[in-house]
Amino acid sequence: GAGVSQSPSNKVTEKGKDVELRCDPISGHTALYWYRQSLGQGLEFLIYFQGNSAPDKSGLPSDRFSAERTGGSVSTLTIQRTQQEDSAVYLCASSLSRTGRNYGYTFGSGTRLTVV
Amino acid sequence: AQKITQTQPGMFVQEKEAVTLDCTYDTSDPSYGLFWYKQPSSGEMIFLIYQGSYDQQNATEGRYSLNFQKARKSANLVISASQLGDSAMYFCAMRGIIQGAQKLVFGQGTRLTINP
Repeated sequence: GAGVSQSPSNKVTEKGKDVELRCDPISGHTALYWYRQSLGQGLEFLIYFQGNSAPDKSGLPSDRFSAERTGGSVSTLTIQRTQQEDSAVYLCASSLSRTGRNYGYTFGSGTRLTVV
Repeated sequence: AQKITQTQPGMFVQEKEAVTLDCTYDTSDPSYGLFWYKQPSSGEMIFLIYQGSYDQQNATEGRYSLNFQKARKSANLVISASQLGDSAMYFCAMRGIIQGAQKLVFGQGTRLTINP
């Protein structure tokens, strides 16, 4: 597609439930990133996928968080046993290969997750 | 580790005036890139401008320019002739080329309000 697509745009879930957030990157972009943005805060890095390389999971806050990227395209971020502190906007971004002087990151519109 | 610091949580400027948004960074990576993003109330992240650490000249994009002072590790964003539509959150970010693992590290942001 023309841009990075994320779904759902909004998700309200009960504490303790599992949720899945989806990201469909720009076609041809080999790198995909997940960030979390709490209300009024900056963006917190969660995980990064580059081609077929092992993902950089260094930003995942706990083992309740996991992500996968199938076929080098669509990615799913899964949060198990959600807690209220997981409430945030989850942003996905994609970019071209790591080589290159100025490869732009294109962000999706985000998924607003509310845990009640 | 890489770190971005934005010391101005909020800025208020009269329309048509120029505004400077501060950003300082810290990294041990010898090569890196610096980015500015705009996030309006709609939540989308809009790429504004990029500066490479080895670029000889400061980057400019229309009304946006980046005042890059490498020795001081600062990368301030200058917006000339501000407009009401410039009201938004502004994030400074950096990406290390070697140690940064290609992920963008963001500052906490500055909320810019343009007054008519």
